[in-house]
Amino acid sequence: GAVVSQHPSRVICKSGTSVKIECRSLDFQATTMFWYRQFPKQSLMLMATSNEGSKATYEQGVEKDKFLINHASLTLSTLTVTSAHPEDSSFYICSARRRNEVYEQYFGPGTRLTVT
Amino acid sequence: DQQVKQNSPSLSVQEGRISILNCDYTNSMFDYFLWYKKYPAEGPTFLISISSIKDKNEDGRFTVFLNKSAKHLSLHIVPSQPGDSAVYFCAASERDRYSGTYKYIFGTGTRLKVLA
Repeated sequence: GAVVSQHPSRVICKSGTSVKIECRSLDFQATTMFWYRQFPKQSLMLMATSNEGSKATYEQGVEKDKFLINHASLTLSTLTVTSAHPEDSSFYICSARRRNEVYEQYFGPGTRLTVT
Repeated sequence: DQQVKQNSPSLSVQEGRISILNCDYTNSMFDYFLWYKKYPAEGPTFLISISSIKDKNEDGRFTVFLNKSAKHLSLHIVPSQPGDSAVYFCAASERDRYSGTYKYIFGTGTRLKVLA
């Protein structure tokens, strides 16, 4: 198997606060993890790519100071949305790639973030 | 600029018939393509993939066809079942020029409804 979990599955936070989302690979080592966001009825947009032990690579238009990504171990990556605003409300999905695999990504179940 | 497009936002098919979902792309550097199935508030589930050196890949009821000259791929589901009702995303893989990591560009999605 290649199971990826996310925690929490849904979170509500107040505007101006920060929220952390965890992404874990449960039965494999993930050398690369990806973070996506999906707005209602839209596509999955890649936000950033993180390789274990190195800084994340952010896609154009994604604020790195707002979306902090840490990939501290081979099984855990975290996304922290800092000073969240209502427009950050979205569905955040992570995926992980196993060592020695080139193309495959294994997706987590997603986290619904609502900022009030 | 949407590099991967699914021009049909929705499709309805009778149970037992063939479902054909289409995807067009613009970047000739894409070298690997995938199809995912997704339910609301869940992560994508991998269905089938195809390398750019092939023009067809089959797995059970699912077949993916790739026409590189037309920059077009399609997913055929035969026979369609009510449980296939979901949103289907195609994804194209490209190598990030800075990190060297292969990442996905997702299409806009097609909502398939299989009628019993």
